[in-house]
Amino acid sequence: KAGVTQTPRYLIKTRGQQVTLSCSPISGHRSVSWYQQTPGQGLQFLFEYFSETQRNKGNFPGRFSGRQFSNSRSEMNVSTLELGDSALYLCASGWGTSTDTQYFGPGTRLTVL
Amino acid sequence: KQEVTQIPAALSVPEGENLVLNCSFTDSAIYNLQWFRQDPGKGLTSLLLIQSSQREQTSGRLNASLDKSSGRSTLYIAASQPGDSATYLCAVQAGGFKTIFGAGTRLFVKA
Repeated sequence: KAGVTQTPRYLIKTRGQQVTLSCSPISGHRSVSWYQQTPGQGLQFLFEYFSETQRNKGNFPGRFSGRQFSNSRSEMNVSTLELGDSALYLCASGWGTSTDTQYFGPGTRLTVL
Repeated sequence: KQEVTQIPAALSVPEGENLVLNCSFTDSAIYNLQWFRQDPGKGLTSLLLIQSSQREQTSGRLNASLDKSSGRSTLYIAASQPGDSATYLCAVQAGGFKTIFGAGTRLFVKA
């Protein structure tokens, strides 16, 4: 069974640009969550999608948005990039219940210059 | 607001030693608590998941306990090995399917 995949693995952008990251969950999983990991703030929850609906959102500005497709694949978009957006972006998939284990992908390393 | 704290922030032990990592959370209204391992520059690997109704879970040399009433969890690693060197993160799943992570404990096991 294939694990969670994220593309691209590495990305370099400049300030003001926008970026789209992709996450493919484990087959059958309907929940996808996104996290930002930085040395200073650690792992912070961005948002969670279940069956194409955003169920919860963390405390990030509106520049961070996401969506989920009918096949459960998810994309995350960051507009007007800032230097502080440089981070490892991780997605995790699961069945979407409260008793669920989350399975994480390898992450996308975003560097904003 | 749920906050998760992990102590110590870093730990260095000789190979073969048994060790305990600590995690505390401020709101006992959680669905579950999960321990993860992260190797440098990599994603997270789930180690153990404890449901809110459970007291502990075991997997191989790892044992995790949960005391919801006191807001504490411990991860016990027996007979540590150099391959155990990594950052260990604990995370609680609270209401709204939001997962809150601690800052992690960086473990180094010396051969």
